[in-house]
Amino acid sequence: EVQLVESGGGLVQPGGSLRLSCAASGFTFSSYWMHWVRQAPGKGLVWVARINTDGSTRSYADSVKGRFTISRDNAMDTLYLQMNSLRVDDTAVYYCSSAPGHNDPPDYWGQGTLVTVSS
Amino acid sequence: DIVMTQSPDSLAVSLGARATINCQSSQSVLYNSNNKNYLAWYQQKPGQPPKLLIYWASTRESGVPDRFSGSGSGTDFTLTINSLQAEDVAVYYCHQYYTTPYTFGQGTKLEIK
Repeated sequence: EVQLVESGGGLVQPGGSLRLSCAASGFTFSSYWMHWVRQAPGKGLVWVARINTDGSTRSYADSVKGRFTISRDNAMDTLYLQMNSLRVDDTAVYYCSSAPGHNDPPDYWGQGTLVTVSS
Repeated sequence: DIVMTQSPDSLAVSLGARATINCQSSQSVLYNSNNKNYLAWYQQKPGQPPKLLIYWASTRESGVPDRFSGSGSGTDFTLTINSLQAEDVAVYYCHQYYTTPYTFGQGTKLEIK
């Protein structure tokens, strides 16, 4: 059974940093492209970042470019999102999701982890 | 960026009736070399992550009931739910994966009338 389990969310002050993790199991993690998608409370889905199978290609939404870094450890079957210079409008549930290829939509999703940026 | 616009924002449909949700992209998501539309539909129920229903605009994900169907090409797409069931109450999102930054529609909230 495919499982994606996010962790690392919490309350952080504006300007602070947080690292999210997503532990994958039940599939060959190293063969899948991975995404982060976020959802502010009561709002819609917003794509954040994508990484290819070996970590050599990364793409970001303009709103997080230069502040967030997506990475992966295929030996540990884990995806990461390093978030720096956090802003109040980064407050959201962050989902990790998997995609079979670079031109496939995310298919499996985790349950999400809540990041709250507030003073 | 490709802007995805859904209509309506919300709709109420009777049990057993048909629900239709539209999605328009600001530019074509049809890739001419393989004639595929890079358009997906997701269903999200309260407190749950999104669930992939449809990809390539009209291909149903494994395990998705056949009352869900997708159609359209280029810039205009439709999700149709036939014989609406109570468990279909959710927010539905269209999503383009043609190019980064990937984008989603604003969502359509489906309720029972």
